[in-house]
Amino acid sequence: NAGVMQNPRHLVRRRGQEARLRCSPMKGHSHVYWYRQLPEEGLKFMVYLQKENIIDESGMPKERFSAEFPKEGPSILRIQQVVRGDSAAYFCASSPPRAGSYEQYFGPGTRLTVT
Amino acid sequence: SQQGEEDPQALSIQEGENATMNCSYKTSINNLQWYRQNSGRGLVHLILIRSNEREKHSGRLRVTLDTSKKSSSLLITASRAADTASYFCATETGTYKYIFGTGTRLKVLA
Repeated sequence: NAGVMQNPRHLVRRRGQEARLRCSPMKGHSHVYWYRQLPEEGLKFMVYLQKENIIDESGMPKERFSAEFPKEGPSILRIQQVVRGDSAAYFCASSPPRAGSYEQYFGPGTRLTVT
Repeated sequence: SQQGEEDPQALSIQEGENATMNCSYKTSINNLQWYRQNSGRGLVHLILIRSNEREKHSGRLRVTLDTSKKSSSLLITASRAADTASYFCATETGTYKYIFGTGTRLKVLA
């Protein structure tokens, strides 16, 4: 049973470009969460999605960031017109659709570097 | 402020010694997890302990949870140079927003 998969593992973008980060949840998991880790800090919640629905995006910056989790395929975190401050590690986690439980399993992360 | 606060922020020990790091939190939790992160790498899940558990073991790792003190500790016995990493606790408080501390940076000297 493969774990949470993220790709790419490393992504380099120039300022102004777009970054697309992908997350494939564990088999049977329909809930996906994105977190961001700035250097020397812990992970901070960004967004919670279920298939085709954004449940909570309270941790997402208001501009340039968007997330989706389509019916088919991986979840995508999209950052438009990247700036140096977007350089961070982005982690995805998934959980099964089990009422009352939010045990999350984390992927290896995507390290974004904006030059 | 952070729900999870690890203590100490940094720890340096000799190979073979035990390493203990602590995590304190503010609100009640359903479970608490410990993760390891090697420099520049992803997270590695170590142990999950539920709120009704007091202690769990996995190999050289021992985790305790004291819900009355809202704290957890991670003990690594007989440390090795390969244990050098940052260690994070993450708490699940009944919502989906896992809250991570800022981590303890452990350095094991050979």
